[in-house]
Amino acid sequence: TQLLEQSPQFLSIQEGENLTVYCNSSSVFSSLQWYRQEPGEGPVLLVTVVTGGEVKKLKRLTFQFGDARKDSSLHITAAQPGDTGLYLCAGEGDTGNQFYFGTGTSLTVIP
Amino acid sequence: EPEVTQTPSHQVTQMGQEVILRCVPISNHLYFYWYRQILGQKVEFLVSFYNNEISEKSEIFDDQFSVERPDGSNFTLKIRSTKLEDSAMYFCASREGQRTDTQYFGPGTRLTVL
Repeated sequence: TQLLEQSPQFLSIQEGENLTVYCNSSSVFSSLQWYRQEPGEGPVLLVTVVTGGEVKKLKRLTFQFGDARKDSSLHITAAQPGDTGLYLCAGEGDTGNQFYFGTGTSLTVIP
Repeated sequence: EPEVTQTPSHQVTQMGQEVILRCVPISNHLYFYWYRQILGQKVEFLVSFYNNEISEKSEIFDDQFSVERPDGSNFTLKIRSTKLEDSAMYFCASREGQRTDTQYFGPGTRLTVL
């Protein structure tokens, strides 16, 4: 089993602040995905990063895949209350048929 | 927009009973997955399915679990003899192809074993 550790586990910030969530592993992944999950719902894909060092932007969200494809970060600029939710990273194994989810980061943005 | 659907939304069963969780993946998708999420814990991979056979399974997916695509639209997860520790949210997911294709998750079935 390939483990993905996310930090921080919980994060509570004021609206307008910036934040970074980290996803770390000792294993190499073919790709890494970031999801957001609302209570009582399934995860919804935000982005997939494939190449080591790759950076992708989605409005105020910036995702980076580590050069060695073992870690990733999610940076949110000027957080808004609508960003509140559980953020999950997931690494794809070599076969493309198994995904390893991280421990999750629960974000609360206070108006 | 096409979506993955799951039924039932909540299933309550007695320990030792068999349960079947049902999923209807998006119609043109070829890869199917089951995950579970125990309350307060991370999402765990159970099994992947392609071309009518299991592609990969985790240590959790022991001989008490089985999957089937009985009719070309439904994708089911069966637990033969449920245990208390099987209580969790079970998510089905599908994707069209591999690698960078988006994996779409269903809303989940909450299984409660008493």
